Amino acid sequence: GAGVSQSPSNKVTEKGKDVELRCDPISGHTALYWYRQSLGQGLEFLIYFQGNSAPDKSGLPSDRFSAERTGGSVSTLTIQRTQQEDSAVYLCASSLGPSQIGGEQYFGPGTRLTVT
Amino acid sequence: DQQVKQNSPSLSVQEGRISILNCDYTNSMFDYFLWYKKYPAEGPTFLISISSIKDKNEDGRFTVFLNKSAKHLSLHIVPSQPGDSAVYFCAATAGGTSYGKLTFGQGTILTVHP
Repeated sequence: GAGVSQSPSNKVTEKGKDVELRCDPISGHTALYWYRQSLGQGLEFLIYFQGNSAPDKSGLPSDRFSAERTGGSVSTLTIQRTQQEDSAVYLCASSLGPSQIGGEQYFGPGTRLTVT
Repeated sequence: DQQVKQNSPSLSVQEGRISILNCDYTNSMFDYFLWYKKYPAEGPTFLISISSIKDKNEDGRFTVFLNKSAKHLSLHIVPSQPGDSAVYFCAATAGGTSYGKLTFGQGTILTVHP
């Protein structure tokens, strides 16, 4: 079956512009996550959606970052007024269950964002 | 505050030998640990996991060991194959509402030479 897909695969934007990154999770997966990986760093948790519950936004680095998940499926991560330090690979993942123990997360290929 | 650390940025191993990747954590609330493998330009893929109630979990060539008292886990790959060359991330999660939130280490680049 289809895995997690993300678009665009690459995005180059000018400092100060807004960007939207899209994630299509695996059909039937109720949990969706966003992470980012900056150069030479590990994956950093950003936000977690589970069903209709309020998302866990504890990892969002600033109020310029926001995310929504429409209809319990597709998610969009928006970065307003982008800064050069926002340059990273943004990864989306989904998992079958909510709080299943260590619910195995399936990752998309990521969106490489470059802010010039 | 790096709660999960992989102190070896890289590891080089000969084909057929054992690869041992290490990971340390500081948060005593973590109760489930996972290893992911990542190839260039792809997202990480799940490899193996272990619950804190166990000290070992095995899946084919991959075995994960957990030492709770030392807050240390390791991934053993034996025998190592060239196709195992990738970046390996360990990750941890705590219980309750934190289950979905994985905290990752920085990754270790494994190179297996033919």
